[in-house]
Amino acid sequence: QVQLVESGGGVVQPGRSLRLSCAASGFTFSSYGMHWVRQAPGKGLEWVAVIWYDGSNKYYADSVKGRFTISRDNSKNTLYLQMNSLRAEDTAVYYCASCIAAAGTHWYFDLWGRGTLVTVSS
Amino acid sequence: SYELTQPPSVSVSPGQTARITCSGDALPKKYAYWYQQKSGQAPVLVIYEDSKRPSGIPERFSGSSSGTMATLTISGAQVEDEADYYCYSTDSSGNHGVFGGGTKLTVL
Repeated sequence: QVQLVESGGGVVQPGRSLRLSCAASGFTFSSYGMHWVRQAPGKGLEWVAVIWYDGSNKYYADSVKGRFTISRDNSKNTLYLQMNSLRAEDTAVYYCASCIAAAGTHWYFDLWGRGTLVTVSS
Repeated sequence: SYELTQPPSVSVSPGQTARITCSGDALPKKYAYWYQQKSGQAPVLVIYEDSKRPSGIPERFSGSSSGTMATLTISGAQVEDEADYYCYSTDSSGNHGVFGGGTKLTVL
């Protein structure tokens, strides 16, 4: 079935790095742009980053620009988020999301994963 | 940075109409989208491109947008509609996504 499954979350110390993965299945991954969205405990949703379907363009929220890198491997149907210089305020559930209603890169989401929790704490 | 503003909470009785607003300076030129999130679950798209309803979303959910304000309307709200609702759009550059702060809808 059509789904996104995130992995790679866990507890990490401030200043360290972590890489999240999002495995896609049930649709042609290489045809769709992909996003990361996060949600701090008890807080609202925050858009984090987007990557074009072919990897040609990437954009980031100001809060993570220069520290996080979004990438994808279309041969493995997998999206990544490399998170460096992590801070306590990066603690959140990280969701990967996409719009698969039409091919290409779209700025909204009709398919979400279940999320993976990242906790930044010493 | 660009912001979308929502009321923190809205409360209605079952069967009444709930309206949740979202204001943002770029909304005259950018679409608004609405997400429903129930506790412990991933968000679900309930309205896209201001007023379109995805398949599987009940007809009681509708959306509109005028000027700098978008509105999600739930006509005849039901107890199962209790959730957090988030508006979403992009900034004027079109290169950053932005969520509103969320509105907790209580139906009781």
